[in-house]
Amino acid sequence: GQQVMQIPQYQHVQEGEDFTTYCNSSTTLSNIQWYKQRPGGHPVFLIQLVKSGEVKKQKRLTFQFGEAKKNSSLHITATQTTDVGTYFCADNTDKLIFGTGTRLQVFP
Amino acid sequence: NAGVTQTPKFQVLKTGQSMTLQCAQDMNHNSMYWYRQDPGMGLRLIYYSASEGTTDKGEVPNGYNVSRLNKREFSLRLESAAPSQTSVYFCASSEAGLPSTEAFFGQGTRLTVV
Repeated sequence: GQQVMQIPQYQHVQEGEDFTTYCNSSTTLSNIQWYKQRPGGHPVFLIQLVKSGEVKKQKRLTFQFGEAKKNSSLHITATQTTDVGTYFCADNTDKLIFGTGTRLQVFP
Repeated sequence: NAGVTQTPKFQVLKTGQSMTLQCAQDMNHNSMYWYRQDPGMGLRLIYYSASEGTTDKGEVPNGYNVSRLNKREFSLRLESAAPSQTSVYFCASSEAGLPSTEAFFGQGTRLTVV
């Protein structure tokens, strides 16, 4: 069955430091999505990647899709306290299956 | 535009009781989903519906049933609640097809089974 693993599970950073979360699939993905969930909130869509090797940027966030379409990453440059939350990747190949998530804590 | 609306927001059940979680979307989406989220864990797919009249099992369907009543509504039923079903339940909807199939989530239902 589909399995999407994310690492790390938790990350604590000082404000201004960079942060990266990695998403790995056991199968080839047709496309991958990223979501952010603030504490106590619901997941909110960030971006979708479709093409092999695709790189997309949203301000301080950089999303990458692996060449083999089996992995993806989200990198945040110079974290801010507003970046706090859990970041999920999601496999949208067949039905929307979420990764295990990375919880980011940012200390001022 | 309300988006995805879930009711109720909070619920406490006794073991063995039944209940139905309601979900409605006003975006004319074909696909709808039910997830559960346990503390410190990710979202696990319970059931989904690719279109009106169709439903399919997700990762953790045991103990649940669903009904896609019409294009707008997708309900989740617990026939005999168990403490292991204590969780936060999220409903989501999306439109099939590229370029973007982003899912929109409801606010969640916090269910406690005692």
